[in-house]
Amino acid sequence: AQSVTQLDSQVPVFEEAPVELRCNYSSSVSVYLFWYVQYPNQGLQLLLKYLSGSTLVESINGFEAEFNKSQTSFHLRKPSVHISDTAEYFCAVSGWGGSNYKLTFGKGTLLTVNP
Amino acid sequence: DAGVIQSPRHEVTEMGQEVTLRCKPISGHNSLFWYRQTMMRGLELLIYFNNNVPIDDSGMPEDRFSAKMPNASFSTLKIQPSEPRDSAVYFCASSLAGGPTDTQYFGPGTRLTVL
Repeated sequence: AQSVTQLDSQVPVFEEAPVELRCNYSSSVSVYLFWYVQYPNQGLQLLLKYLSGSTLVESINGFEAEFNKSQTSFHLRKPSVHISDTAEYFCAVSGWGGSNYKLTFGKGTLLTVNP
Repeated sequence: DAGVIQSPRHEVTEMGQEVTLRCKPISGHNSLFWYRQTMMRGLELLIYFNNNVPIDDSGMPEDRFSAKMPNASFSTLKIQPSEPRDSAVYFCASSLAGGPTDTQYFGPGTRLTVL
């Protein structure tokens, strides 16, 4: 079985400040890790994903996440946030096994960027 | 390319009424997912189809919920009779093959309010 814990339900920050959204997972099999973003009144969209190789993955809009197997973490970071980054961010895990189609989501972290 | 299309975007109905939510996946995608999002429970997978066949419906709350996928380009989620506790945002998502590394593409969701 897989589970995802997002340690912060809400993270308020000021514009141009750095931010880290934390994600820890548990799984009995090798995992693939995802961050999805949900802007207000929209569906979720993929921000970035870790499948294999380099443990640091980047998105096109300046976010990055690092897969840490020993700490079972996949924290999301951005060195300088914009107002437009205000959204809810979901960490998710999948893996090979009986239900390998299944994405298990965390409860989400609401990032609010204030001017 | 058009993304996942859902209709209606908003539905307000009275307890006991039948509700039908519709989804058109991305053309060429073989896998379709229905999710429910609430504040209390987060994102829950309701049912998963692969090549139009229901593979996993273990997340369907009870017999009042049913889902169909008559062809590769259309799926419905029906609630009959509806209850106030069914109020939630319902998302449809599709992916290329349903594998653990696939990105799931979400529709904009249907916000259901049952009075």
